[in-house]
Amino acid sequence: GQQLNQSPQSMFIQEGEDVSMNCTSSSIFNTWLWYKQDPGEGPVLLIALYKAGELTSNGRLTAQFGITRKDSFLNISASIPSDVGIYFCAGHPNSNYQLIWGAGTKLIIKP
Amino acid sequence: DTGVSQDPRHKITKRGQNVTFRCDPISEHNRLYWYRQTLGQGPEFLTYFQNEAQLEKSRLLSDRFSAERPKGSFSTLEIQRTEQGDSAMYLCASSFGQANYEQYFGPGTRLTVT
Repeated sequence: GQQLNQSPQSMFIQEGEDVSMNCTSSSIFNTWLWYKQDPGEGPVLLIALYKAGELTSNGRLTAQFGITRKDSFLNISASIPSDVGIYFCAGHPNSNYQLIWGAGTKLIIKP
Repeated sequence: DTGVSQDPRHKITKRGQNVTFRCDPISEHNRLYWYRQTLGQGPEFLTYFQNEAQLEKSRLLSDRFSAERPKGSFSTLEIQRTEQGDSAMYLCASSFGQANYEQYFGPGTRLTVT
């Protein structure tokens, strides 16, 4: 079945650092979504991507829909403590499929 | 607040009991989804509605699970004869339109079966 590989699984960051994470699929996707989830809460939609090559920003967050349509990237610039949480990618090969989810990238602030 | 709401936020029940959760979607959203999430995993799709019609159910959804959306607005998810393996976060999401695009999630209901 469809699978999404999300990496890295976790990242230790220092405040002010830039962060990158990515998601790859075994087949072509039509949509990529990036969510952030805080402990005990539901995922919050950050960015939605619909076209290959599309680059979209939301504040300090920038996400790209890979040109091969098999991957997507999320970058966070100048990280701050509230960026801590779990970031999920999700997408589907067409609108008739349910969303397929990555396993998440956990962002942790270095003490 | 016009976001997705879920009730209760937490539920502790004994094995064998029935539980029911409620989800109120964003008011103009016609699609409503239920997911289950366990620690360290992404959400797993359970079922979804377009208006009042239940259009798809995951194979994960055993006969003990039932969901309704009687008037195409709020939805309920019932679990009968709960088992310890049902302990999880149950998430509801809603979206607008004819496709499964941007889904907006509620805060979830954390179920603990003892």
